[in-house]
Amino acid sequence: GENVEQHPSTLSVQEGDSAVIKCTYSDSASNYFPWYKQELGKGPQLIIDIRSNVGEKKDQRIAVTLNKTAKHFSLHITETQPEDSAVYFCAASSPNSGGGADGLTFGKGTHLIIQP
Amino acid sequence: EAQVTQNPRYLITVTGKKLTVTCSQNMNHEYMSWYRQDPGLGLRQIYYSMNVEVTDKGDVPEGYKVSRKEKRNFPLILESPSPNQTSLYFCASSPPTGVRKVTEAFFGQGTRLTVV
Repeated sequence: GENVEQHPSTLSVQEGDSAVIKCTYSDSASNYFPWYKQELGKGPQLIIDIRSNVGEKKDQRIAVTLNKTAKHFSLHITETQPEDSAVYFCAASSPNSGGGADGLTFGKGTHLIIQP
Repeated sequence: EAQVTQNPRYLITVTGKKLTVTCSQNMNHEYMSWYRQDPGLGLRQIYYSMNVEVTDKGDVPEGYKVSRKEKRNFPLILESPSPNQTSLYFCASSPPTGVRKVTEAFFGQGTRLTVV
């Protein structure tokens, strides 16, 4: 099945700087790559996603890039703000996966800390 | 408001005492699933359901049961809880998008379970 590796596990950046979180996946058939943000005491919430037919997608301060050849994708957050502090999860979905209501395999998460 | 509702939010129980965590969604989603979240392990899928009366095992199904008698509800049942099932549990639902096409998963607020 699909395996998703996420790095780093913890990332501390100064407010206003950029943050980058990287993920790799194992199944070359994977075609959907979402990123979820989990704030303290809440469930994960989708912040951006990308499908395998595009290489980059932006939404204001957030962008995701996908390199299908290398099988890795990254989340980029620019001009970080205190409210960006949270745990971020990457995920991948493969048609070859055993199933799943949403067919997603998650990375282990990155705790992003924005230092004032 | 579109949402996934889990109950209870917090639960402390003793080993072997059967319990049920309820999950309900008001978005008419066909797909629903249960995850557990443990430190350093990220989100791991327990069970999923493609539609009413259709359920299947995820990655970590041992010790859990589910049922899907109605489209909106997907309860998680622990027949004989053990301390290793102490975890943070999330229910999620996803809209139908066609054959094997995955889209956003909507998560509940989580249920923190402690088994002593």
